[in-house]
Amino acid sequence: DAKTTQPPSMDCAEGRAANLPCNHSTISGNEYVYWYRQIHSQGPQYIIHGLKNNETNEMASLIITEDRKSSTLILPHATLRDTAVYYCIVSPDFQGAQKLVFGQGTRLTINP
Amino acid sequence: SQTIHQWPATLVQPVGSPLSLECTVEGTSNPNLYWYRQAAGRGLQLLFYSVGIGQISSEVPQNLSASRPQDRQFILSSKKLLLSDSGFYLCAWTPFRMPLATDTQYFGPGTRLTVL
Repeated sequence: DAKTTQPPSMDCAEGRAANLPCNHSTISGNEYVYWYRQIHSQGPQYIIHGLKNNETNEMASLIITEDRKSSTLILPHATLRDTAVYYCIVSPDFQGAQKLVFGQGTRLTINP
Repeated sequence: SQTIHQWPATLVQPVGSPLSLECTVEGTSNPNLYWYRQAAGRGLQLLFYSVGIGQISSEVPQNLSASRPQDRQFILSSKKLLLSDSGFYLCAWTPFRMPLATDTQYFGPGTRLTVL
């Protein structure tokens, strides 16, 4: 599976957009980009995923570059509750179990 | 709606003692089930997954084992705990859907295990 590279930490002011980058230069054609986040001492929470096209849901937007070698997760109006570790994961679409490989992620701190 | 339960929430065990952590899912049938471990300051590591009753796949060799005695029950066990088994243990599930597997994983609240 392709590996991802994320900055270890980022800060963002409350109310501003938080843009979290992820590099996945060895991504394969059948691999999706997933984003999860983990608030302290809780289980990870799914945010969004995509293959080629940009995606948006009620939580965030995912922008994937045309060559698919990098992506950016955008939280449009960050709140203090968005403080968490954000994981970018690439994983193939395969039958049966979905084996996600979590890296170190980006620790995002939202400041008042 | 579907819910996932784990217990106990916290556990302190001596080295060499046995372990049994339980995970149950409600509101769905034939889920794929997963056990992860998160050591202090580390990312999540997939330990085991199961696509059906009695079907267990191990991702890393270790001192732990898993079992799935019922469709929505997943158990993590050890005969003799090591100090290195300390960590945050998370159970997760995905719908069993063929052929696509691009579903989200839903995680439980976790069990924090400290081995002394």
